[in-house]
Amino acid sequence: GAVVSQHPSWVICKSGTSVKIECRSLDFQATTMFWYRQFPKQSLMLMATSNEGSKATYEQGVEKDKFLINHASLTLSTLTVTSAHPEDSSFYICSARDPLLYEQYFGPGTRLTVT
Amino acid sequence: SQQGEEDPQALSIQEGENATMNCSYKTSINNLQWYRQNSGRGLVHLILIRSNEREKHSGRLRVTLDTSKKSSSLLITASRAADTASYFCATVSNSGYSTLTFGKGTMLLVSP
Repeated sequence: GAVVSQHPSWVICKSGTSVKIECRSLDFQATTMFWYRQFPKQSLMLMATSNEGSKATYEQGVEKDKFLINHASLTLSTLTVTSAHPEDSSFYICSARDPLLYEQYFGPGTRLTVT
Repeated sequence: SQQGEEDPQALSIQEGENATMNCSYKTSINNLQWYRQNSGRGLVHLILIRSNEREKHSGRLRVTLDTSKKSSSLLITASRAADTASYFCATVSNSGYSTLTFGKGTMLLVSP
């Protein structure tokens, strides 16, 4: 199957700082990527849908000014957690949709810990 | 928002036994998918079943779908310790938006 990578795999940062997470589709061009958040022992919650060249669509309750999404190219979407707080500590997973097969492929996730 | 409910929440079995996990959902769907997640890792797509299908097989996996009851089941036969993971169902609705809505998941522990 198609490969989606995320960078970094894990990151620890201090409260108040910003952290950028990258999501790349390695062998296909993804016009649409998705960002999910997963708290321990819980399911994935969709945060936002990222469309190449346009603004992201955020799910209800997700602050767009806090979670900045940039999908500047067909193979890269970034999620920036601004002014991070300990409650932002979570596992962030991206997925990319193959426009030809219409399947979603998930990245390995990024564990964010805010101290 | 989450739509699916899996049961059981957690399941512990011995190697060689079968494991059955159930998923219920609320809205009309285009398809339903099952994913596996090892602890702290990303998701692995297991199988997709469309709304007009009732049963699908893939290796040791068997998935059923009952759209009248809005439910699906995942059966893993002859389980192995390596099957230990969390399993999630996810639905794609008929609303025209192809986003995945995940259930809460079942944690499966297979003991040697």
